[in-house]
Amino acid sequence: GAVVSQHPSWVICKSGTSVKIECRSLDFQATTMFWYRQFPKQSLMLMATSNEGSKATYEQGVEKDKFLINHASLTLSTLTVTSAHPEDSSFYICSAGTDNSPLHFGNGTRLTVT
Amino acid sequence: AQRVTQPEKLLSVFKGAPVELKCNYSYSGSPELFWYVQYSRQRLQLLLRHISRESIKGFTADLNKGETSFHLKKPFAQEEDSAMYYCALRQNTGFQKLVFGTGTRLLVSP
Repeated sequence: GAVVSQHPSWVICKSGTSVKIECRSLDFQATTMFWYRQFPKQSLMLMATSNEGSKATYEQGVEKDKFLINHASLTLSTLTVTSAHPEDSSFYICSAGTDNSPLHFGNGTRLTVT
Repeated sequence: AQRVTQPEKLLSVFKGAPVELKCNYSYSGSPELFWYVQYSRQRLQLLLRHISRESIKGFTADLNKGETSFHLKKPFAQEEDSAMYYCALRQNTGFQKLVFGTGTRLLVSP
């Protein structure tokens, strides 16, 4: 079945630094990728929708200058957390799909900002 | 606005008991409903989608438009069913984002 790969699986960074998370669709071309954030024992909250070749669409309350999204190809989207702070520590999950197909999810990236 | 409600945070049953995880939704159009499962330390996986009308791992879910529900059922729970279950909704007009419920943790005890 379709596989979505997310890298890294976990990352620890110092406050004020930036972290890039990659999301790749391995065996299909994803016209759209989604970035979610999941706090402990809570549901997935959509952060933004990433469309190949165009600007991402951010959900209300998500700072686009802080969470930079680039979807340069049909198989790769990146999320960069800029100037990370401890409150950005969370589990970030990407998902990808094509028109009318169920979304497939990456394994997630656990970000810890110290 | 689209909304998915899963009223139970935790559902604890004994092995062999029937299971029903509740999901209600609000959406003015005709939605597409999904159940996703997340086992411990694993990625979110698609379990069911209502348009498939299939049974996966013994689970079934029927879309009830009158009650705006999409409850997940299994007649005999197994220990390996212990996981987080998320109900999700997607508009059926083209490729749209998923809206997730808050999830229900199913714990099946021996």
